[in-house]
Amino acid sequence: GQNIDQPTEMTATEGAIVQINCTYQTSGFNGLFWYQQHAGEAPTFLSYNVLDGLEEKGRFSSFLSRSKGYSYLLLKELQMKDSASYLCAVTDSNYQLIWGAGTKLIIKP
Amino acid sequence: GAVVSQHPSWVICKSGTSVKIECRSLDFQATTMFWYRQFPKQSLMLMATSNEGSKATYEQGVEKDKFLINHASLTLSTLTVTSAHPEDSSFYICSARQGAPDTGELFFGEGSRLTVL
Repeated sequence: GQNIDQPTEMTATEGAIVQINCTYQTSGFNGLFWYQQHAGEAPTFLSYNVLDGLEEKGRFSSFLSRSKGYSYLLLKELQMKDSASYLCAVTDSNYQLIWGAGTKLIIKP
Repeated sequence: GAVVSQHPSWVICKSGTSVKIECRSLDFQATTMFWYRQFPKQSLMLMATSNEGSKATYEQGVEKDKFLINHASLTLSTLTVTSAHPEDSSFYICSARQGAPDTGELFFGEGSRLTVL
């Protein structure tokens, strides 16, 4: 079956750095997405990786290793507004999007 | 980035009535739109994939007669919850893909929170 694993919840301190991991087992691979979702709102796009390596975009970076079926989202200089759920999603060989359950990130002052 | 608008944001209805939710791509043509349902503290659950001009493809376990999806144009898809019941209360979200499946990100609507009394 197809499966995406990410931690259920993480806690970090304002100003610090946090890494949210995502591992996947899917039927083929055509890209991995990270989305941010605040409670009661729709997800917003953060990043898209299709090749191995690190993609940096401001305070957020996303890494992909296709051979390991692994990705992480790195958030630097954490702000209180970064408290949200972070969803990892993979596009399989049929271009179907498989969603992880999301990681709830709690930022403490 | 591309904009997807979803309406209404909130809707309360009586049990047994039908509710229509609209999803519009405002500045691009969306050949494919997706409808999701999300329960509290859970991830998105894909309900159906909607292709313009053809019948929607429903995920296993989703009742196609209860959740009617119409994708009449390249900028509009609608989800109608027929004969709604309290267990249909949920957060419904649409998304649209701009271009071919391998072109990248999905754009999400704002979501519609349905409460059935």
